[in-house]
Amino acid sequence: AQSVAQPEDQVNVAEGNPLTVKCTYSVSGNPYLFWYVQYPNRGLQFLLKYITGDNLVKGSYGFEAEFNKSQTSFHLKKPSALVSDSALYFCAVGGGSYIPTFGRGTSLIVHP
Amino acid sequence: EAGVVQSPRYKIIEKKQPVAFWCNPISGHNTLYWYLQNLGQGPELLIRYENEEAVDDSQLPKDRFSAERLKGVDSTLKIQPAELGDSAVYLCASSSTSGRGEQFFGPGTRLTVL
Repeated sequence: AQSVAQPEDQVNVAEGNPLTVKCTYSVSGNPYLFWYVQYPNRGLQFLLKYITGDNLVKGSYGFEAEFNKSQTSFHLKKPSALVSDSALYFCAVGGGSYIPTFGRGTSLIVHP
Repeated sequence: EAGVVQSPRYKIIEKKQPVAFWCNPISGHNTLYWYLQNLGQGPELLIRYENEEAVDDSQLPKDRFSAERLKGVDSTLKIQPAELGDSAVYLCASSSTSGRGEQFFGPGTRLTVL
């Protein structure tokens, strides 16, 4: 069975500093990996995905993620955080089942 | 382009009452998902449709939950009767590519069962 772990319930970072939100996964075969963001009282919004190709994936709003096959990780990163980046972030993995499994989410808080 | 539309946005009902949620996916998206999201958790799949066919409903509690997607477009999720533990946010999402493609989510319906 496929699974996703987001080891941090909350990440705090100062505005202007780099941020990292961690995600590790377990899946049979080649993984399809996604990051979504959720603002209060809103549905999830797609940020980026890894299917194949370059290990560094660039997405919306300046976010990027690095696929590391040996560490089974897909950490979300941004070079310079904004207060408006404060939200709930979900990592998801899909595989042969075509059904994505979502992590529990990580609350990102960017302090002014 | 219009996004995924869900209604109602909020619903408060008494336990044992029926409730229904409606979803209109993005035009042209063949795959439709219904998820349940509890507070502090990620979405959990209830059912997935490919056009009008339910291709994965193993997580749907079929004794009280039902869903349909007539003509492969709009979808309705029903709970009858509702229980206190059903209080959650019900999310609908659609995708043009099953599994490997990104999903587009609606705003969700927040259900409160009293």
